[in-house]
Parts: sequence; structure tokens; C-alpha cells
Amino acid sequence: AQTVTQSQPEMSVQEAETVTLSCTYDTSENNYYLFWYKQPPSRQMILVIRQEAYKQQNATENRFSVNFQKAAKSFSLKISDSQLGDTAMYFCAFMKRPGNQFYFGTGTSLTVIP
Amino acid sequence: EAGVAQSPRYKIIEKRQSVAFWCNPISGHATLYWYQQILGQGPKLLIQFQNNGVVDDSQLPKDRFSAERLKGVDSTLKIQPAKLEDSAVYLCASSSPPGTSGGGGETQYFGPGTRLLVL
Repeated sequence: AQTVTQSQPEMSVQEAETVTLSCTYDTSENNYYLFWYKQPPSRQMILVIRQEAYKQQNATENRFSVNFQKAAKSFSLKISDSQLGDTAMYFCAFMKRPGNQFYFGTGTSLTVIP
Repeated sequence: EAGVAQSPRYKIIEKRQSVAFWCNPISGHATLYWYQQILGQGPKLLIQFQNNGVVDDSQLPKDRFSAERLKGVDSTLKIQPAKLEDSAVYLCASSSPPGTSGGGGETQYFGPGTRLLVL
């Protein structure tokens, strides 16, 4: 079975600063994807960034980047130049192939402080 | 492109009553997921459809929950009878067929969710 662990229930960061959210996962699969999703208060879940396990290069999307350590089964999210709109719950997710089943962590609540 | 639609957005019922949620995925998306998200937790997969077939329903409490996707497009999730612990947000998500260029299969798109309160 696949498990996703987010060990930081809550975090805060000053506006314009950088913050890193941690995620570890456990799997025996070789073909999988990893994701970070953002869920703002009372709003729907949206994709932040995704990483294909077979790619060594870390994914980057504007201010968001990941540090993917496959051997350590670690997948952290770095948010640079934090903005007030980044305040949200952040979920790490794992998807295995074939089948495309998704497994989510318990989330990290991030607050950006003005 | 229209997103994933869900209705109703909110529902309040008493325990032992029944309730149904509806989801219309993004056009062309073959895979549809229903999740239960209890307050303060991550989404838990209830059931996954590929077209109108069930891929995974291992975490669906089948004694009270049922879901269908008869024509391989929209889907309905039903709870009968509801319990207090069913209070949660029910999320629907869809993804395009695996292998589709530009993020196919690997990326889920979520609807706004249905918030259920069981009294």
C-alpha cells in the first residue's frame, strides 16, 4: 500500500520570504507521479506542481519548485517570494501507474503573514 | 473549457436519511474520482471510474454508499442511510485518458465539492 506523510500540520511565513513544505511517501512502485495541490479556504483544490518519478530534474512552476529525492522518497515544495494568496492547505499526493490511483497526505496549513 | 461541476454545494440532513450527490466531469475525461474529505484531513478515495467501469472501490463503505456512472459521463454518489460520521466534503475529480498529451491522465481536476452535514 502507498502512504503519504506530511509531518508539518501548520506553517507560517512572512510575505516575500521562502518556505519549504515537507512530504515523504512509501511505495514499492517504480512508475508513479507526485503532486502538490493547493486548497484555499472554502475554495476548490488546484494543482500546484507535479513530478514524474522517472525524471531526475526537479519540477519548477514560477515561484514553486520541488526537491525530489527518489531514494529517500522525499518530495518537498519550496515557495519563493511568498504572497498572501498562497495562504491555503497544501496536500502532497502520490499517483501510481497503471491504474492512476491517487493517495493524499493529511495536508499542511500555510499562512502567509503580511 | 468548463471545469468539473458538482451539485448541490451544501446539504444538511438528519441521520438515517438518504442523500445523493451529482458530478459532471470535464468533457472527454474518462476517469472520474469521488473523494471524502473530513475536516482537517486529506481527501480519501471512495471510488474511481474508468469510463463506466469501476477501477477501485476498496474504500467505499458498500453497506451504505453507492455510486454509478452509467453512460461514462456524469456520476452520482449516494449515501443511504447517513451517519453522523459521514459529515464531510465530497469531492469529485476527473482526468483525461492516460497518455493524452499535455498532462493527460496524471493530473486530476477537482470540482468545488459538496459539503454534507449530518445532524
